[in-house]
Amino acid sequence: DVQMVESGGGLVQTGGSLRLSCAVSGFTFSDYTMNWVRQAPGKGLEWVSSISTSSSYIYYTDSLKGRFTISRDNAKSSLLLQMNSLRAEDTAVYYCARSRVGIRDAFDIWGQGTMVTV
Amino acid sequence: SYELTQPLSVSVAPGQTARITCGGNNIGGKSVHWYQQKPGQAPVLVIYRGNNRPSGIPERFSGSTSANTATLTISRAQAGDEGVFYCHVWDITTWVFGGGTKLTVL
Repeated sequence: DVQMVESGGGLVQTGGSLRLSCAVSGFTFSDYTMNWVRQAPGKGLEWVSSISTSSSYIYYTDSLKGRFTISRDNAKSSLLLQMNSLRAEDTAVYYCARSRVGIRDAFDIWGQGTMVTV
Repeated sequence: SYELTQPLSVSVAPGQTARITCGGNNIGGKSVHWYQQKPGQAPVLVIYRGNNRPSGIPERFSGSTSANTATLTISRAQAGDEGVFYCHVWDITTWVFGGGTKLTVL
């Protein structure tokens, strides 16, 4: 079965840091572009960042202004999100999501999310 | 920055057809994806690349796109179809989600 499990969320003070992880199983992680999407309480979905299979292409939403860093470890089938200088507006459920085929395709598999409270 | 506009809510009677729109400048030139999210759950992809259904999504779900509007159509609506639906497109180097439309089947 395909599984994507996020971890690393929690309560952090303003200005602090957190590192989110997404552990993947059930498919060949290195073949897929991966993404982070967040959802503030009671709000809609907001794309955060995307990373291509070999990390050659990385994109971020403009509002992050360099505070977050996406990375991946293909050997460990793991997606990471380093979040620094956290603000109250970063409070959200953070989902990892897989792109179907390539960096511009739909997100076909989602994890259950991890809550970050700032 | 690119924006997608969705109605806040759509209501439909059971068995009828629901249409959820997503407006965007020249959206007809983009691949539009749609997700359904139920309370407390992660989003689920229901339509990709305009009008393609992932495995397991009923044929009742379909998508279409015109110049400046994409539409998700749900035929023979059922109570289980309720949720919030989001449209989603790639614009240059950015992913954009619509604000979401809450579908109520009543």
